[in-house]
Amino acid sequence: EVQLVESGGTLVQPGGSLRLSCAASGFTFSSLPMHWVRQAPGKGLEYVAAILSNGDVTHYASSVQGRFTISRDNSKNTLYLQMDSLRAEDTALYYCARDGITGWHLDYWGQGTLVTVSS
Amino acid sequence: QSALTQPASVSGSPGQSITISCTGTSSDIGGYNYVSWYQQHPGKAPKVLVYDVNKRPSGVSNRFSASKSGSTASLTISGLQAEDEADYYCCSYAGGGIYVFGIGTKVTVL
Repeated sequence: EVQLVESGGTLVQPGGSLRLSCAASGFTFSSLPMHWVRQAPGKGLEYVAAILSNGDVTHYASSVQGRFTISRDNSKNTLYLQMDSLRAEDTALYYCARDGITGWHLDYWGQGTLVTVSS
Repeated sequence: QSALTQPASVSGSPGQSITISCTGTSSDIGGYNYVSWYQQHPGKAPKVLVYDVNKRPSGVSNRFSASKSGSTASLTISGLQAEDEADYYCCSYAGGGIYVFGIGTKVTVL
């Protein structure tokens, strides 16, 4: 069974940093691209970042470019999101999601980890 | 990377069919056949219903169907059921390795 379990979300002050983790199991983690998607309280989904299977190529939404860094450790089956220079508008539930084995979509999602940026 | 446009809400009675539209641009929906649709119940993670414009993952009811014309995609739910009450999001590949989501549509079963 595919499982994605996010962790690391907490309350952080504006300008601070935080690293989120996503532990993957039930599939060959090293073979698939992975993604982060966020959802502000009561709002819609917003795409954040992607990383290809070998970790060499990353992509970011313009809203987080230069502040967030996506990475992965295929030996630990874990996806990361390093978030720096956090702003109030980064407050959201952060989901990790797996790239579809066939087709272009996100086929499995974790339950999310909540990041609150506030003083 | 502007969000795709969806109606804020759509409603229908049990057994009816409803259609949710999703409008983008030539840089996303109009440029790629990589539109997907997600259903999200309150407090739950999104679940994919359709990918690559009109393909359904195994286990997804055939009451969900989708299509695309130009820069507009559509999701149709036929035989509306109480369990279909949820938020629905379209999503399109937008080039450069990035996806873009729609603003979301709340479906209400009357």
